[in-house]
Amino acid sequence: GAGVSQSPRYKVAKRGQDVALRCDPISGHVSLFWYQQALGQGPEFLTYFQNEAQLDKSGLPSDRFFAERPEGSVSTLKIQRTQQEDSAVYLCASSPIRAGGSLETQYFGPGTRLLVL
Amino acid sequence: AQTVTQSQPEMSVQEAETVTLSCTYDTSENNYYLFWYKQPPSRQMILVIRQEAYKQQNATENRFSVNFQKAAKSFSLKISDSQLGDTAMYFCAFMKTSYDKVIFGPGTSLSVIP
Repeated sequence: GAGVSQSPRYKVAKRGQDVALRCDPISGHVSLFWYQQALGQGPEFLTYFQNEAQLDKSGLPSDRFFAERPEGSVSTLKIQRTQQEDSAVYLCASSPIRAGGSLETQYFGPGTRLLVL
Repeated sequence: AQTVTQSQPEMSVQEAETVTLSCTYDTSENNYYLFWYKQPPSRQMILVIRQEAYKQQNATENRFSVNFQKAAKSFSLKISDSQLGDTAMYFCAFMKTSYDKVIFGPGTSLSVIP
């Protein structure tokens, strides 16, 4: 079956532009996560959705970052007034939730590489 | 707060040889999950192996195995019979509960030399 997909794969933005990054999770996956990966570093958590509810947004670096998942499937990460320090790969991951609390692996998408000039 | 440390930024290994990547972590939790993820140059993050902290037996997946030392908070990855396709960044990662964010280490860049 299809994995997690993200679009666009690459985005170049001028400083001050707004950008929108899309994530299509695996069908039926309840949980959706966004991570930011700076060059040469490990991914860092941004925000978490369970269905359409945003349960944790503690990792969003500023109020310029906004994420939504209105129908509990596709999610969009929006960055307003982009800055050079926003340049990074933005990864989306999804996982199912099963009864009994069994461990569920997060499946990652290929990422969107954002370059802010 | 949980932290994950990988003290080897870069490593190399000859093809067909064995290599061990180190990872330590810090947490006050008793039950948690640990992972090794692989990220090839194409950047798709792939799960290599996972370990549930309450399980004493070390996880094994084909050529990949871990040495999980809970008291020492150590979680190393051993790759046997290294192959050229193993060349990638390897991230050690921690997850507090099954539906929580993953906390990644800084990564180890592994190069398999023909």
